[in-house]
Amino acid sequence: AQKITQTQPGMFVQEKEAVTLDCTYDTSDPSYGLFWYKQPSSGEMIFLIYQGSYDQQNATEGRYSLNFQKARKSANLVISASQLGDSAMYFCAMRPGHTGGFKTIFGAGTRLFVKA
Amino acid sequence: DAMVIQNPRYQVTQFGKPVTLSCSQTLNHNVMYWYQQKSSQAPKLLFHYYDKDFNNEADTPDNFQSRRPNTSFCFLDIRSPGLGDAAMYLCATSRDLGQEETQYFGPGTRLLVL
Repeated sequence: AQKITQTQPGMFVQEKEAVTLDCTYDTSDPSYGLFWYKQPSSGEMIFLIYQGSYDQQNATEGRYSLNFQKARKSANLVISASQLGDSAMYFCAMRPGHTGGFKTIFGAGTRLFVKA
Repeated sequence: DAMVIQNPRYQVTQFGKPVTLSCSQTLNHNVMYWYQQKSSQAPKLLFHYYDKDFNNEADTPDNFQSRRPNTSFCFLDIRSPGLGDAAMYLCATSRDLGQEETQYFGPGTRLLVL
């Protein structure tokens, strides 16, 4: 079965500190893509970072990095130097390959609160 | 700069009164998606178009229909909205259907059913 699990419904972090949001996935497809999206209270889903299943190196995009551990089937998002504007809902998502129909599977999300 | 545009941002309708939500894109992407998202939940895929090829999810109620008259526009029609259809409706696009394809989302339309 294709599944994304985010075990942290809510997280608090102090401004300027780093925070890790957990994500584990399950798929029988050998080829897949992993994504993180940010959803502020305004509602728009904003793409943050992508990791391909065959990528050897962890993806990075500015203050965002993806800690990809394929054997453990985890794809944790690390946000460095948190800012107040990072307060939002964060969704981990997976697009399985051909056998999974290329549909995006979302986790339940983690709500991040950044404290001043 | 807006790439995926949704109108209106907020829509109020009456129970049973048909409503249409619209989405347009300037990315020239082949795939357009409609998601329903209820409060504090993950988005739920309703259907998607690959070009003109319509793909309905098995659990999408018949009450929900969609049209894609051209590459740029896609519409979500709710024929007889019920109270349970109150939600955020997100339109998204992707260039293609591969596992590496990023989806780009619009700002969403919040639907309220009275």
